[in-house]
Amino acid sequence: GAVVSQHPSRVICKSGTSVKIECRSLDFQATTMFWYRQFPKQSLMLMATSNEGSKATYEQGVEKDKFLINHASLTLSTLTVTSAHPEDSSFYICSALQAGKLFFGSGTQLSVL
Amino acid sequence: EDQVTQSPEALRLQEGESSSLNCSYTVSGLRGLFWYRQDPGKGPEFLFTLYSAGEEKEKERLKATLTKKESFLHITAPKPEDSATYLCAVQATSGTYKYIFGTGTRLKVLA
Repeated sequence: GAVVSQHPSRVICKSGTSVKIECRSLDFQATTMFWYRQFPKQSLMLMATSNEGSKATYEQGVEKDKFLINHASLTLSTLTVTSAHPEDSSFYICSALQAGKLFFGSGTQLSVL
Repeated sequence: EDQVTQSPEALRLQEGESSSLNCSYTVSGLRGLFWYRQDPGKGPEFLFTLYSAGEEKEKERLKATLTKKESFLHITAPKPEDSATYLCAVQATSGTYKYIFGTGTRLKVLA
């Protein structure tokens, strides 16, 4: 299967700081990547769809100015949580489409103090 | 509205005790149904894709089946290492690549 690498796996930051999460497709080119958020014992909530070379499409209720997404190349998408607050603490997961299937990164646990 | 419902929410099995997980879905048109396994603190791992009613896929102790309204993930003689959350997702034919996920079944297999 296709490999998607996500870094960092865990980050702790102070309230008001920004955090960048990277998502890379290692053995394929990903025109489309997705960013999800997951709360404990809940399912994946799609935040946005990231398309290489164009602006991301955000789901309803997701603040695009808070969650900045950049998909500058066919193998890299980044999610920046700007001015993070404790309520942004969550598990963030990226995924990429390969041959019609979604492959996921290993996730990033963000804790905002 | 497209929707995916998984049951049960949680399941505890003894090692060797076979069972099935259910995924019921409502979509305007099904492009594909996907099963994933998720371990705590990890991203989901792809297991199966099913595209049409009557289709079946197998991998080790897991077998996935699909009807027009639901999918089952059968686990035969499970082992403790099968303990995980199993997620079901559907992709509709509505023109986007969006996957709609169920809330998952948390499986615990006791030795």
